[in-house]
Amino acid sequence: GAGVSQSPRYKVAKRGQDVALRCDPISGHVSLFWYQQALGQGPEFLTYFQNEAQLDKSGLPSDRFFAERPEGSVSTLKIQRTQQEDSAVYLCASSLAPDTQYFGPGTRLTVL
Amino acid sequence: GESVGLHLPTLSVQEGDNSIINCAYSNSASDYFIWYKQESGKGPQFIIDIRSNMDKRQGQRVTVLLNKTVKHLSLQIAATQPGDSAVYFCAENEYGNKLVFGAGTILRVKS
Repeated sequence: GAGVSQSPRYKVAKRGQDVALRCDPISGHVSLFWYQQALGQGPEFLTYFQNEAQLDKSGLPSDRFFAERPEGSVSTLKIQRTQQEDSAVYLCASSLAPDTQYFGPGTRLTVL
Repeated sequence: GESVGLHLPTLSVQEGDNSIINCAYSNSASDYFIWYKQESGKGPQFIIDIRSNMDKRQGQRVTVLLNKTVKHLSLQIAATQPGDSAVYFCAENEYGNKLVFGAGTILRVKS
C-alpha cells in the first residue's frame, strides 16, 4: 500500500516568504506528526494531531509556525516570514497504533 | 545526494561482519523504543521496535537489546551488507506520543 507522501519534495524560499508543506498520511492512520531535521542531526518533534485535533504543539519553534489537519487526514505545515534558520528537512509521520510511526520522504526547505 | 549526518559518529565494518550500534536514552519513563534507518535524501525507515517489558527482540538479521538499568539500547545487524550503509537512529516514545531521537550513527560497510 501507499506510504506517507509529502509535497513538495524541495522548496526554495526567499527570506520573508510564506511556505506551505503538505503531508498525506497512510490511509486510516489517526495520528500524524511533524518533525524538523537539521543537517547532521536527528529529527526533532514539532507537533502532533489525533484526527483533526492538535494535541501537542510544544515543539513549534515560534508563532511563525502553524499546522492544521482540518478533516483528519491531509495536514499542512505553514511557516510564515521564513528565516534562514528555518532551513531544514521537514518530516511527516503517521501511525495507526499509538507507537510505531511511519515517515514520509520529507520536504527539504532552503531559505535564501 | 546530501548526507544526512555530517558530524555523527561512524562505524565502519567489513561486508559480512556483524555490526553493533549503541544508543543511550534519556527518559526512564519511556516505554517503547524504535530503531530507524535513514538513507541520504529519504525519511527514516522503521527497522525494529521493543517495549520496556522486554530486554531482547529479534527480527530478520537484526536484534535489539534493551538495558533499562543503564538506559541503553543496542542494534545488532548480522552479516552486514552494503545496502545496510545508512544513518541509524534510536528513538524513545513515552505514552505513545512524540518520538525523541538519539544523535544517530553512520554505518559504512566496506566491500
